[in-house]
Amino acid sequence: EVHLVESGGVVVQPGGSLRLSCAASGFTFGDYTMHWVRQVPGKGLQWVSLINWDGDDTQYADSVRGRFTISRDNRFNSLHLEMNRLRAEDTALYYCAKDKGSRIQPALYSFDIRGQGTLVTVSS
Amino acid sequence: SYELTQPPSVSVSPGQTVSITCSGHKLGDKYTSWFQQRPGQSPILVIYQDTTRPSGIVERFSAANSGNTATLTISGTQAVDEADYYCLAWDSITATYVFGGGTKVTVL
Repeated sequence: EVHLVESGGVVVQPGGSLRLSCAASGFTFGDYTMHWVRQVPGKGLQWVSLINWDGDDTQYADSVRGRFTISRDNRFNSLHLEMNRLRAEDTALYYCAKDKGSRIQPALYSFDIRGQGTLVTVSS
Repeated sequence: SYELTQPPSVSVSPGQTVSITCSGHKLGDKYTSWFQQRPGQSPILVIYQDTTRPSGIVERFSAANSGNTATLTISGTQAVDEADYYCLAWDSITATYVFGGGTKVTVL
């Protein structure tokens, strides 16, 4: 069974930095594109970033491009999100998600959110 | 940037059918997914690739996508279906995923 556990969310001051992690299990992590998705409490979902199976391709939402960096370590089945120059509007619950497609399967343009998320609060 | 528009809320009586729309420019040319999020829980994928139900998703969820509108239909709606529903699409021009604003389904 796919299992994703996010961690690293804390209270941080505006302008600060934070690194989120996602521990994956139950599937061949290195075969899948991975995503970060966030949700402001009480609001809708927002896709944040993706990284392909070997880390060669990354994409970002306009609102985080240039401030956030997604990375992965396939040796340790882990996904990360380095967050810099944090703003109040980055306050949200951050989920990691597993792509529906894989390295050996055509893109399905969808993903599964399997974790409980980690809460990032940007406040002074 | 690409935008997806959903009605904020819809209501349905138990046992009836409810449809939720998601509108975007030439959305029918893109693959659309749907997520269900019950109160206090993480989102669950209920439809991907326009019409495909993941394993474990009940048959009363179905969907279609054509023109500028994708539609999620819940047949024989039950109280457990009361949730927020979000559509999702990949915008190949900006290489980003876009969520709709979400629709709250209330089972009266």
